[in-house]
This record gives sequence, C-alpha cells and structure tokens, in this order.
Amino acid sequence: EVQLLESGGGLIQPGGSLRLSCAASGFTLSKYPMSWVRQVPGKGLEWLSVLRDSDAKTYYADSVKGRFTTSRDSSKNTLYLQMNSLRADDTAVYYCAKDSTGAALDYWGQGTLVTVSS
Amino acid sequence: QSVLTQPPSVSAAPGQKVTISCSGSSSNIGDNYASWYQQLPGTAPKLLVYDNKERPSGIPDRFSGSKSGTSATLGITGLQTGDEADYYCAAWDTRLSVFLFGTGTKVTVL
Repeated sequence: EVQLLESGGGLIQPGGSLRLSCAASGFTLSKYPMSWVRQVPGKGLEWLSVLRDSDAKTYYADSVKGRFTTSRDSSKNTLYLQMNSLRADDTAVYYCAKDSTGAALDYWGQGTLVTVSS
Repeated sequence: QSVLTQPPSVSAAPGQKVTISCSGSSSNIGDNYASWYQQLPGTAPKLLVYDNKERPSGIPDRFSGSKSGTSATLGITGLQTGDEADYYCAAWDTRLSVFLFGTGTKVTVL
C-alpha cells in the first residue's frame, strides 16, 4: 500500500528555516516524480516543486524559487523540502504527492502545517 | 501564477449532473494532459481523473473528464451529498515549466 507521511511542520519565526520530510512506503520514491503542494487554510492548492525521477531535476514555482529546495534520500525513501527565508505568507498546510504519469498526482500525504509568525 | 480558471461554485440537486470547466491556454491544457482532484473538507486532495479522461482504480464512472483545445471539463452525474467538496483541475505548463492548479470549484448538493 502506497503511503506518504509528512513531518517537520510547526511554528517558525519570519526569516527562519524549516525542513519538511515526506517518508514514502509501498513504492520506490526515486522511480517517480515527486511534488510538494501547499494550501493556505480556506484557499486553493498551490504547486511548489517537482523532483523528476529520470534526471533528478527540480522545478519550482516562482513564489518559492531561490528560497525552497527539494531533495530526496533514496536510502531512506524520503523526500525533503528545505524552506529558507520563511515569510508570513508561507503559512500553509504542506503536502507531498507522488506523480504517476508525469502529469497527475495520484497519492498524497496527510499534510503538515507550517505557521510563520513572530 | 495560477492561470487555470474555474467557476467558483456549482450546485445541483441530488441525482442531477454538474459540469466544471477549466480554462487554460496553449502552453498548459492545450499542450499537456489535464487532471482533476477532489478535496473533501479537512482532507488531502484525491485524484479523480488523469490524462484528460482516465479514472484511477476505485473512482466511479459518475466522474468523467474531457478536453477540448485549451479547456478541460469534469462531469459528475448522479450527484450525491458525499460529492460536496472542492474540485481542482491541473496541468503542466510547458512555457512556464510549472505544474498549475486551477482556481478551484466548490460543489454544493442542494
């Protein structure tokens, strides 16, 4: 059974850093594109990044480019999102998601809440 | 950065049909597959349709997807109270090299 479990969320001050983890089970994470998506409570979904399986290349939304970095540890079957220079508008629930075809996110984690506030 | 436009809300009585439109451009829906997601209150999104019209295992055929040009459409027939949720379309944008979600549509069962 495919499962994704995010962790690492919490309260962080503006300008701080946080690393989210997404532990995968039931499949080999490095064989699929993996994305991060966030959602401000009560608002819509915002895609943040994808880590391609084929060449490990990453793509980012403009809103996080240069501040967030997506990586993976194949030995731990875990995806990471390193978030630096956090701002109040980064406050959201962060989801990791597995991409099945390169164009659809077929499995999602339960999400982890990040609150950026002083 | 979202350039996939959906109606904010649609509604219908139980048993009826609703359609949700997703308007994009030549660099996203016009050039790539569209997918659709259902998000029930307080839960993570769930994939309903991929590759424009394909359903993952376990998704009932009451849900259907289609694409024409730069627009995609999700149809829900035999509407049930359990279908009350937010629905999002999505597609890769070749020009921007980003994955775009639509603005989202709230479905209400009257």
